[in-house]
Amino acid sequence: GAGVSQSPSNKVTEKGKDVELRCDPISGHTALYWYRQSLGQGLEFLIYFQGNSAPDKSGLPSDRFSAERTGGSVSTLTIQRTQQEDSAVYLCASSSGVGFGQPQHFGDGTRLSIL
Amino acid sequence: GESVGLHLPTLSVQEGDNSIINCAYSNSASDYFIWYKQESGKGPQFIIDIRSNMDKRQGQRVTVLLNKTVKHLSLQIAATQPGDSAVYFCAERSNQGGKLIFGQGTELSVKP
Repeated sequence: GAGVSQSPSNKVTEKGKDVELRCDPISGHTALYWYRQSLGQGLEFLIYFQGNSAPDKSGLPSDRFSAERTGGSVSTLTIQRTQQEDSAVYLCASSSGVGFGQPQHFGDGTRLSIL
Repeated sequence: GESVGLHLPTLSVQEGDNSIINCAYSNSASDYFIWYKQESGKGPQFIIDIRSNMDKRQGQRVTVLLNKTVKHLSLQIAATQPGDSAVYFCAERSNQGGKLIFGQGTELSVKP
């Protein structure tokens, strides 16, 4: 079946511009996550949505970052007034739940480059 | 703070040999641990997971071992193949919800 889909796959923008990154989770998955991966590094948690609960925003690095999930499905991560240190691969994952045996499945990410 | 790290940044093995990738974690309250494989330009791919009340779990050609006494996790790959070449990440699930805390990764290189 279809996996997690992210768009665009690559995004180049100028410093100070706003960007929107999109994630389409696996159909039926109630949990959705955003992570950031800098070059040669591990993944850094950003935000997590689970069903109708309030999202866990504890990983967002600044108030320039925000995310929403509409209708319990598609999610958009928005970065306002981008800075060069925002350059990274932004990965989205989804899972059918948060229990054992319900692992997070990742998309291939959006590679964001800030000039 | 919480952290998950790997002992070796790179590992080179001969095709057919067994590979062992190690990971140390610091949060004794984490309830489960996961291994991912990431190929260049791709997102992490789930390999195997293990609950904190387990010591060992086996999958196809892979085994994960958990030693809670020393907070150590390892991934064993049997009969390593060129297709196993990738970066391997361990991650722990925070007891504060579904978010994962990832280690830095180990790059596995398989020589034919």
